[in-house]
Amino acid sequence: GAGVSQTPSNKVTEKGKYVELRCDPISGHTALYWYRQSLGQGPEFLIYFQGTGAADDSGLPNDRFFAVRPEGSVSTLKIQRTERGDSAVYLCASSREGGNEQFFGPGTRLTVL
Amino acid sequence: EDQVTQSPEALRLQEGESSSLNCSYTVSGLRGLFWYRQDPGKGPEFLFTLYSAGEEKEKERLKATLTKKESFLHITAPKPEDSATYLCAVQAVDSNYQLIWGAGTKLIIKP
Repeated sequence: GAGVSQTPSNKVTEKGKYVELRCDPISGHTALYWYRQSLGQGPEFLIYFQGTGAADDSGLPNDRFFAVRPEGSVSTLKIQRTERGDSAVYLCASSREGGNEQFFGPGTRLTVL
Repeated sequence: EDQVTQSPEALRLQEGESSSLNCSYTVSGLRGLFWYRQDPGKGPEFLFTLYSAGEEKEKERLKATLTKKESFLHITAPKPEDSATYLCAVQAVDSNYQLIWGAGTKLIIKP
């Protein structure tokens, strides 16, 4: 079956611009997670959705970051007024209800010039 | 503080040379320990979940083991296609989703 998909695979933007990153989870998975990964590091938790609601957004670094999942499936991570420090790979993962294992997408590499 | 430390940071082996990667963890109570493989430019790929000390899981040339303080990923007779970064993560009993990640071990298998 289809895995987690993310678009775009690469995004280059200029400092101060707005970007949206999309995640399409595995069909039927109710939980969705966003992570950020820098080179040589493990993923850093950003936000967790259970269904349509953000159950935990404690990992979002500041109020420039926002994520939605309006219909409980596809999610969009939105970053306003991007900064060079936002450059990283943004990973999305999903898991089935009650499942512990998280399955990851290929990531979006964001570069802020 | 909950913490995961992986060692070594990098490991170069000859094809067929068996070895082990280490994941040491400190967590208030362990719900599960996860191993993932990550290839360059890709997301982590799930390998194993271990839940209790003494548990072992195997997949092809990989075997994961768990004690109360650490987990090992044993690689037997590796091939060049086993080259990747191997990530370890733990989940605490007081969380049903949060994973605490190590920084990974970059494994290079030379033909």
